Amino acid sequence: DVKVTQSSRYLVKRTGEKVFLECVQDMDHENMFWYRQDPGLGLRLIYFSYDVKMKEKGDIPEGYSVSREKKERFSLILESASTNQTSMYLCASRRQGQSNQPQHFGDGTRLSIL
Amino acid sequence: GDSVTQMEGPVTLSEEACLTINCTYTATGYPSLFWYVQYPGEGLQLLLKATKADDKGSNKGFEATYRKETTSFHLEKGSVQVSDSAVYFCALSDFFGGTSYGKLTFGQGTILTVHP
Repeated sequence: DVKVTQSSRYLVKRTGEKVFLECVQDMDHENMFWYRQDPGLGLRLIYFSYDVKMKEKGDIPEGYSVSREKKERFSLILESASTNQTSMYLCASRRQGQSNQPQHFGDGTRLSIL
Repeated sequence: GDSVTQMEGPVTLSEEACLTINCTYTATGYPSLFWYVQYPGEGLQLLLKATKADDKGSNKGFEATYRKETTSFHLEKGSVQVSDSAVYFCALSDFFGGTSYGKLTFGQGTILTVHP
C-alpha cells in the first residue's frame, strides 16, 4: 500500500513565523500535491510538483511556496504565517500516467495560526 | 474552467436506508471522475473511479456511473451502515490530449451521518 506521511497532525504557530509542512511518500510517485481543506469549500490546490525540482502553482498559491529537492519529499512553506492560513493541509502523491491514476492522501496537518 | 458541484449537505439517514449523493461537473476534454471518502480524523481515501462515458465504478457497496449526456456522477448505495458516516467528495481529473498531471478539482464535500 501507498504510504503518504505528513510530519505533524497538529501544529500551532504565531503570526509572522515561517512555517514548514513536510510530506513524504514511499511509492516513488512522480506527482505530489498540497491542498488546503476548509468547511464548505472542499479541497483547494495550493501547489503541485510533477517531478523533482519541478513545481506549478495551483488555484491559491499566494502566501505559500514549495520545495521538492528529492522525489519522495514535498515541503509546503508559509513564508510569513497569517491567521487566514489556519486550516487543514493535505498532501497527496500520484504515479504519473493516465488521468484515471488516483491520488493517495496523507492524514493531514491541522495548522492553527495565533 | 473545470468545476464540480455536489448536493448540499449534511445528509442524515437511518441504517439500511438508500443513499444518493448528487454530483455534476463542467469540464473540457474527457476527464476521469472520482469519489473520495474522508472518515473522521483521517485523510481522503479513494472510494471508486470511472474513466469514460457509461463506465460504472463500484466499491464497498457504493456505485457511480459516468453519465456524459447529463455530466453527472451520482454516488449510490442501497443500504447504508453506521460505519459509512463520513465526508464524501466528488472530483474530476484534468486531461490534456494524453498527458495528465492528475490535478483534481473537488466538489465542496457532503457530510453523511448514519444513525442506528
